[in-house]
Amino acid sequence: AQKITQTQPGMFVQEKEAVTLDCTYDTSDPSYGLFWYKQPSSGEMIFLIYQGSYDQQNATEGRYSLNFQKARKSANLVISASQLGDSAMYFCAMREGPNAGNNRKLIWGLGTSLAVNP
Amino acid sequence: DTAVSQTPKYLVTQMGNDKSIKCEQNLGHDTMYWYKQDSKKFLKIMFSYNNKELIINETVPNRFSPKSPDKAHLNLHINSLELGDSAVYFCASSPTGRMNTEAFFGQGTRLTVV
Repeated sequence: AQKITQTQPGMFVQEKEAVTLDCTYDTSDPSYGLFWYKQPSSGEMIFLIYQGSYDQQNATEGRYSLNFQKARKSANLVISASQLGDSAMYFCAMREGPNAGNNRKLIWGLGTSLAVNP
Repeated sequence: DTAVSQTPKYLVTQMGNDKSIKCEQNLGHDTMYWYKQDSKKFLKIMFSYNNKELIINETVPNRFSPKSPDKAHLNLHINSLELGDSAVYFCASSPTGRMNTEAFFGQGTRLTVV
């Protein structure tokens, strides 16, 4: 079963508008962490934001925020005031806690390709 | 200073050849990884080493052999290359035992087997 689901293969947004990239996850471990990475066309993987399962508040990092809805098992990335440089692939990933017994590797979604239009 | 560096960045080779990709991190992390990203951008973990010991081996053909001479280095050697090995290979590292720490990635090695 897919543990990380990103249902939007591709998204378009107008420059300066906000966009939400969806991510749902599946785990029975109460302790886990959720990550978002950006991969521009140049290919490098850039860490954006982290949310822990016990964090009381939604994570924010500059124009990035994470809409964490634990009961729904969703961790959507919100990018405010989109810029042309935000055009890239965006990956959601999860690391499960010690109870998962899987050496705590990162489990990845299939990614969402975001295109920012001028 | 590059945190995780892998070489080469591009590698074009013929089927049947043996090739190596090198990875070094200067972050002092205990854990290093190799990931394969296919043409559809799917990222899949291949190996993970912790303090030079193999801890994850994800059903990778035994033509792929990782080697970790010390905890700052994790090299990937591939024997008898096949067309299906064409992909981007990423090295990454992270500290051990910390849930909230992201993995730091190298810039990737684009391997093309012809």
